[in-house]
Amino acid sequence: AQKITQTQPGMFVQEKEAVTLDCTYDTSDPSYGLFWYKQPSSGEMIFLIYQGSYDQQNATEGRYSLNFQKARKSANLVISASQLGDSAMYFCAMRDEGNEKLTFGTGTRLTIIP
Amino acid sequence: EAQVTQNPRYLITVTGKKLTVTCSQNMNHEYMSWYRQDPGLGLRQIYYSMNVEVTDKGDVPEGYKVSRKEKRNFPLILESPSPNQTSLYFCASSPTENQPQHFGDGTRLSIL
Repeated sequence: AQKITQTQPGMFVQEKEAVTLDCTYDTSDPSYGLFWYKQPSSGEMIFLIYQGSYDQQNATEGRYSLNFQKARKSANLVISASQLGDSAMYFCAMRDEGNEKLTFGTGTRLTIIP
Repeated sequence: EAQVTQNPRYLITVTGKKLTVTCSQNMNHEYMSWYRQDPGLGLRQIYYSMNVEVTDKGDVPEGYKVSRKEKRNFPLILESPSPNQTSLYFCASSPTENQPQHFGDGTRLSIL
């Protein structure tokens, strides 16, 4: 069964608007970690933000925040005030406790329109 | 500069000709991993290593081998490459398996 689901293959957003990229996950483990990575057209993978399942507050890193809804098993990435440089592929990933593997979603291609 | 270095960056080769993609990190990380990225499939983990001499299969290990003789190096070996192994490969490392991974720049392999 797929553990990470990103339902938006592609998104187009006007510059300066906020963006929400969806990610749902499936695990029976109470302890897990969720990661978001950005992959620009140049190809490198850039770590953006991390959320632990026991963290009391939603993670934030600059313009990135994670809308973590544990009961719904969702970990959506929110980008505020989008910029042209935000155009990239975005991947959600999860690792659950007792499993050293990291599982990625299929990604969302975000395009910011000037 | 802290980095994960993969070589080669690009390789075109033929079916059955053994090849090795090297990966080296200079951050003294314990956890290292290999992924392949294919369109529409995201990144899939091939093998990972928790520490020296400790390796384990990821989700798509068939046709690949790895070794971890030293902490810094984690080569990916394709003993008999086939066209379905044409892909973009990433090596990554992190201090432990719970922490964000640093990725190499990727290796694009084409097996003809």
